[in-house]
Amino acid sequence: AQKVTQAQTEISVVEKEDVTLDCVYETRDTTYYLFWYKQPPSGELVFLIRRNSFDEQNEISGRYSWNFQKSTSSFNFTITASQVVDSAVYFCALSETSGANFGNEKLTFGTGTRLTIIP
Amino acid sequence: NAGVTQTPKFQVLKTGQSMTLQCAQDMNHNSMYWYRQDPGMGLRLIYYSASEGTTDKGEVPNGYNVSRLNKREFSLRLESAAPSQTSVYFCASSEGTGTGYYEQYFGPGTRLTVT
Repeated sequence: AQKVTQAQTEISVVEKEDVTLDCVYETRDTTYYLFWYKQPPSGELVFLIRRNSFDEQNEISGRYSWNFQKSTSSFNFTITASQVVDSAVYFCALSETSGANFGNEKLTFGTGTRLTIIP
Repeated sequence: NAGVTQTPKFQVLKTGQSMTLQCAQDMNHNSMYWYRQDPGMGLRLIYYSASEGTTDKGEVPNGYNVSRLNKREFSLRLESAAPSQTSVYFCASSEGTGTGYYEQYFGPGTRLTVT
């Protein structure tokens, strides 16, 4: 069965520091997708990025970067030069596409990491 | 586009009462989902509808029923509310091509308290 672990429950850093949020997943599938979502204090979940299992290139978007390593089943998220607006709960999620999940797009979420940026 | 809308935003129920949470999307998505979010537990899937006319149980379906009224609307019903159903409920939708590729879009959530 698929599983997503976000071992860091809460992280606090001072503004402008870099911070990495960890995500470790388990799956038996060879084809799958990994996602990160952000839930700011307003409560709505916002999609940040998708990565497929065949693409291990790291991705950078402004101050955000993602490191996908199949060898360690990890998909970590780094925020560089953090800002107060980055304060939120961040969720990592896994979508499998074969076996019992073929034909649908169910996501398995981790329990989330609450990130607080201290001004 | 409004995206995914949910009503109501807040609700307080007494144990044993029933209610229906409404969800609608205007993105012509095939798949729709209901999640509950509880502290320390992330989001857990209650029910989903891969396409119009189909519904399936998720991880925590007990105590809930759903109806995919049409392609746009997916409602969640609590027949006899219990305090354990106190939670924040999110509706989501996605393209639903069956490949697992497309991200889900979430509504603003409904905060439900059962006393």
